[in-house]
Amino acid sequence: QLQLQESGPGLLKPSETLSLTCTVSGDSISSTTYYWGWIRQPPGKRLEWIGSIYYSGHTYYNPSLKSRVTLSVDTSKNQFSLILTSVTAADTAVYYCARLAQLVSWFDPWGQGTLVTVSS
Amino acid sequence: EIVLTQSPGTLSLSPGERVTLSCRASQSVSSRYLVWYQQKPGQAPRLLIYGASRRATGIPDRFSGSGSETDFTLTISRLEPEDFAVYYCQQYGSSPQTFGQGTKVEIK
Repeated sequence: QLQLQESGPGLLKPSETLSLTCTVSGDSISSTTYYWGWIRQPPGKRLEWIGSIYYSGHTYYNPSLKSRVTLSVDTSKNQFSLILTSVTAADTAVYYCARLAQLVSWFDPWGQGTLVTVSS
Repeated sequence: EIVLTQSPGTLSLSPGERVTLSCRASQSVSSRYLVWYQQKPGQAPRLLIYGASRRATGIPDRFSGSGSETDFTLTISRLEPEDFAVYYCQQYGSSPQTFGQGTKVEIK
């Protein structure tokens, strides 16, 4: 059964860089069938798609975050990662990783999510 | 960017009742690109419906989706205790893909 698990620091200061990793188990991240993505949900706000990546490294970002986001894949570790630079309090959110059927599609399944708080 | 507006914000219902949730788009969305999720407290969202009306694997047939263009609906024919949760719609027909703000179905 496919499982995804997010990991990374839970507390950052403004202007720091957020770095999260999603570890995939139960399937190979090098599968040619699927894509991988990140979504976040700020407290009390709606879900927001951050970006998606293919095992080859091809990426697709939300234009609103594109200047600060980098996604990458490590096929040897069956992981993919998110880097978000120059964080502010507005980046405080639960961050989810998930699998996609295509570069742009629905998300299924999702990881459990990890809360990242940005505070001085 | 397409804005999805879900209504109502909260529904207070009893087990056994029929539920109808609405998701309205600010622009037309191909029904192929409209999905629904369920999220319970402390859990990740779970895919319920894709292509506006197709149930995901393992989803009970009491869940059904319908709609087109700007108006979409998720229906639960008879509420089970495990159905009390927050429901989200998502569109991916127009970039960036966006989500609704959610409808909470709570126990009355």
